[in-house]
Amino acid sequence: AQRVTQPEKLLSVFKGAPVELKCNYSYSGSPELFWYVQYSRQRLQLLLRHISRESIKGFTADLNKGETSFHLKKPFAQEEDSAMYYCALSSYGQNFVFGPGTRLSVLP
Amino acid sequence: DGGITQSPKYLFRKEGQNVTLSCEQNLNHDAMYWYRQDPGQGLRLIYYSQIVNDFQKGDIAEGYSVSREKKESFPLTVTSAQKNPTAFYLCASSPSGAGRWAFFGQGTRLTVV
Repeated sequence: AQRVTQPEKLLSVFKGAPVELKCNYSYSGSPELFWYVQYSRQRLQLLLRHISRESIKGFTADLNKGETSFHLKKPFAQEEDSAMYYCALSSYGQNFVFGPGTRLSVLP
Repeated sequence: DGGITQSPKYLFRKEGQNVTLSCEQNLNHDAMYWYRQDPGQGLRLIYYSQIVNDFQKGDIAEGYSVSREKKESFPLTVTSAQKNPTAFYLCASSPSGAGRWAFFGQGTRLTVV
């Protein structure tokens, strides 16, 4: 069965500190991995996906198939990064499975 | 302006009444999804539809029903059989094929009193 876990419900860091939001998944095939972000009073939106290998708003994520992980990283956190972050998994033709989410709070 | 629209934003209903949440998209996406978002539980899939006139149950379909008569529309009915209907409901759509990702509506907060 497909499953996504995010071990931290809440992560608090100070502005300028590095951030790492953890995501692990279980899936037997070749999944596509995503990070979604939900800012206060805004809709859930795509942040980045592993197949595009891009950096969005300073965030990057590398798919580690050996460890079945897709951790989200940013070297220097900003206050505007405070939001709810969801890791998600999908496979061809199937639905999207989301983790429980991690609330990131960046303190001034 | 392309997008996915959910209405209404807030909905109040009395216990025992059925209620239908609207979801419309003009992105020409084949697939549509309904999720329920509860604090600490993330998004849980209720129903999804990969094509018109076809849909499948998700992980928590009990007490819910859907229809997909048109490509643009995927309404969700919360029936009186749903034991804990008060929640935030999210609709999403995606194109078919590899490399796709889900676009979300702004959500409907349903409160049953």
